[in-house]
Amino acid sequence: NAGVMQNPRHLVRRRGQEARLRCSPMKGHSHVYWYRQLPEEGLKFMVYLQKENIIDESGMPKERFSAEFPKEGPSILRIQQVVRGDSAAYFCASSPPDGETPLHFGNGTRLTVT
Amino acid sequence: AQSVTQLDSQVPVFEEAPVELRCNYSSSVSVYLFWYVQYPNQGLQLLLKYLSGSTLVESINGFEAEFNKSQTSFHLRKPSVHISDTAEYFCAVSEAGAGSYQLTFGKGTKLSVIP
Repeated sequence: NAGVMQNPRHLVRRRGQEARLRCSPMKGHSHVYWYRQLPEEGLKFMVYLQKENIIDESGMPKERFSAEFPKEGPSILRIQQVVRGDSAAYFCASSPPDGETPLHFGNGTRLTVT
Repeated sequence: AQSVTQLDSQVPVFEEAPVELRCNYSSSVSVYLFWYVQYPNQGLQLLLKYLSGSTLVESINGFEAEFNKSQTSFHLRKPSVHISDTAEYFCAVSEAGAGSYQLTFGKGTKLSVIP
């Protein structure tokens, strides 16, 4: 049973470019969460999605960031016009619908903005 | 809202020595508590969790943590560490009950095991 799959593992973008981060949840999991880990910080919640629905985006920056989880395919975290401050590790997690099972995390995408 | 404090950002310890990584939390509601471990360039792996029941929880690789409600703590301990335990450890809390997806993490403690 494959775990949470994220790609790419490493992503380098120049300032002003777009970054697209992908996440496939564990088999049987219908809930996806995105977290961001800034250097020397703990993980911070960004957004919670179910298929075709954004449930909670209270942790998402108001501009340039968006997330989707389409009916088919992986969840996408999209960052437009990246800036140096977006450099971080972005982790995706998934869970089944029971709401009490601990989150399972992927290995993350490390975004570097040059 | 919850918050988590991990007082020690780095803990060096000699191999086969005991270790305690401290975690304190604050919350106005009942919580679930977790320890996650992150090995270099990898994602977070769940180490152990407290949801309810016995306040002492154990992992398969010898770690244990005890939920102390009066002290609002969930310290992680291991009686004898190995080189392979070198990693960063994150304490996390969520509101107890259905839909407890918003984990609040501490800033992490880097455990370095010295041969």
